[in-house]
Amino acid sequence: EDKVVQSPLSLVVHEGDTVTLNCSYEVTNFRSLLWYKQEKKAPTFLFMLTSSGIEKKSGRLSSILDKKELFSILNITATQTGDSAIYLCAVEAADGSWGKFQFGAGTQVVVTP
Amino acid sequence: EAQVTQNPRYLITVTGKKLTVTCSQNMNHEYMSWYRQDPGLGLRQIYYSMNVEVTDKGDVPEGYKVSRKEKRNFPLILESPSPNQTSLYFCASIASGDRGYTQYFGPGTRLTVL
Repeated sequence: EDKVVQSPLSLVVHEGDTVTLNCSYEVTNFRSLLWYKQEKKAPTFLFMLTSSGIEKKSGRLSSILDKKELFSILNITATQTGDSAIYLCAVEAADGSWGKFQFGAGTQVVVTP
Repeated sequence: EAQVTQNPRYLITVTGKKLTVTCSQNMNHEYMSWYRQDPGLGLRQIYYSMNVEVTDKGDVPEGYKVSRKEKRNFPLILESPSPNQTSLYFCASIASGDRGYTQYFGPGTRLTVL
């Protein structure tokens, strides 16, 4: 059975700290892994990863995929209170066509002033 | 403005009364999808559609129907809602390109079935 597991479930950090979120997966016919940020509304897209070892970076956020060990890391450096959100990881399986996504339960990040 | 819209945003109904949640996107995307989100379970895919008249089941399709008669609309139908379908529902569409693809989510519909 396909599964996507995120850890930790939640964490609280102080502004300026670095946060590392983990997403491990077991999916048949892996195609891609995506990260989203969800505040009190709909998720917003952060990164899409398809190849191992290539880091995607956007400002203070970066992510890397390890297809051999079946996990991805999302890093947030110099955290700010605006980074407080639920971070979701999703894996796409290629079952003939594309578009079937399985999400993890998310990691809730709280950044305190 | 590029967007995915859902209606209604909030709905309280009773068991067994058929309802439809509409979803519309103005970006000419071929791919659309429905998810439900429950505490501790993350987002779970209900149905998705690769194009007009093409739909596929996600992980939790039981109790739901969809249709894709035109590219911009992808309604979610609950023929006989039950309390276990109380959830937050998101519609999404995907833009694909050379750099991969981006999934755009609607604002969500909070459904309560009594």
